[in-house]
Amino acid sequence: EVQLVESGGGLVQPGGSLRLSCAASGFPFSTYWMHWVRQAPGRGLVWVSRISRDGSSTSYADSVKGRFTISRDNAKNTLYLQMNSLRADDTAVFYCAREDGSQDFDLWGRGTLVTVSS
Amino acid sequence: QSALTQPPSASGSPGQSVTISCTGTSSDVGGYKYVSWYQQHPGKAPKLIIYEVSKRPSGVPERFSGSKSGNTASLTVSGLQAEDEADYYCRSYAGSSTWVFGGGTKLTVL
Repeated sequence: EVQLVESGGGLVQPGGSLRLSCAASGFPFSTYWMHWVRQAPGRGLVWVSRISRDGSSTSYADSVKGRFTISRDNAKNTLYLQMNSLRADDTAVFYCAREDGSQDFDLWGRGTLVTVSS
Repeated sequence: QSALTQPPSASGSPGQSVTISCTGTSSDVGGYKYVSWYQQHPGKAPKLIIYEVSKRPSGVPERFSGSKSGNTASLTVSGLQAEDEADYYCRSYAGSSTWVFGGGTKLTVL
């Protein structure tokens, strides 16, 4: 089955760190650019970060630049998001998404909830 | 990286048509063909329903259509059905390998 499954979310204190994972299956993971998108409770979707097929090129939203790092392990078919210096406004469901040839997000995971609170 | 502007809500009766707008700038919506729309039901992951302004992925009903004029993109849902009740988000490429979403529109089928 073609799917993305996120994990690693949870409760973390302000200033803390967390690493999210996104396990891909059912498709050639290494041939796709990948993204992270987040959604705060009751709010809209916000693009977070993108990584190239081989991991050599990355980009970030201004709101997370310098704090978050996207990476991937194509041998393990897994995408990561390392989140440092977390703030309360980082509280959100984090989705990983696959980018198709038209720069669209054609496959999404179900998301993992990150809560930043003391 | 400001969010694209969408109306917070829209509504229509079954069988009617409704159009949702998405306004950006010449640096995003107006500058690229990479405008897409996503449907999200409560508690679910978003689903791609329109890409490259007006193209439909396989399996998406013809009732969904997209267009763009200048800095504003639009999603039209024709022949509204109960299952169309959901949140809808536009998304555009914004240059420099960044993307921006709209704030979302809650579509209610009356």
